[in-house]
Amino acid sequence: GESVGLHLPTLSVQEGDNSIINCAYSNSASDYFIWYKQESGKGPQFIIDIRSNMDKRQGQRVTVLLNKTVKHLSLQIAATQPGDSAVYFCAERQFSGGYNKLIFGAGTRLAVHP
Amino acid sequence: DTEVTQTPKHLVMGMTNKKSLKCEQHMGHRAMYWYKQKAKKPPELMFVYSYEKLSINESVPSRFSPECPNSSLLNLHLHALQPEDSALYLCASSQLYGTGVGYTFGSGTRLTVV
Repeated sequence: GESVGLHLPTLSVQEGDNSIINCAYSNSASDYFIWYKQESGKGPQFIIDIRSNMDKRQGQRVTVLLNKTVKHLSLQIAATQPGDSAVYFCAERQFSGGYNKLIFGAGTRLAVHP
Repeated sequence: DTEVTQTPKHLVMGMTNKKSLKCEQHMGHRAMYWYKQKAKKPPELMFVYSYEKLSINESVPSRFSPECPNSSLLNLHLHALQPEDSALYLCASSQLYGTGVGYTFGSGTRLTVV
């Protein structure tokens, strides 16, 4: 199930189940959306990205869906494994003064139980 | 080499100290970034360097002073910090152009201001 902690919502799933992590973004002009995984004590690790003119992209065990109408992004993880336990952030690439910058969403902790 | 290396991994400093964080990459990326991350929060952009020039400063207090000596190195000089500046400081790099939008992050420097 899903719960909202003080700052970081948590999604708890059983090993082998599929996980869906959701994200709302803010800027309609963002051209790329990216999902990152962050394990404890490490920096964010790139998972998958999607261009704004696409609505779906698949990788290995992961699928990203983009709904521009409601500014919503989701990450689906198939057959979730204990090693998938981490904090997941969505990020949008925005342009400012001719330079691009990556702005992160709030994050979701994924807890995988055996 | 596909890594961003940050040193030191941990740093404890007093409010009157001067210290520097270092970041290095050898992927040929011409954009480099500093992010600040508080516990249970997403990374927040501080500075963007493009071709060794400061291109974005997200209204960061002057007690944080970035420097990009060459295309592989990025420093963050710290002076007269406050306890609330304690956080994980992340460095990242990326291509400036093309479709490679994924930023590569280092593991960060865990800073504690006492």
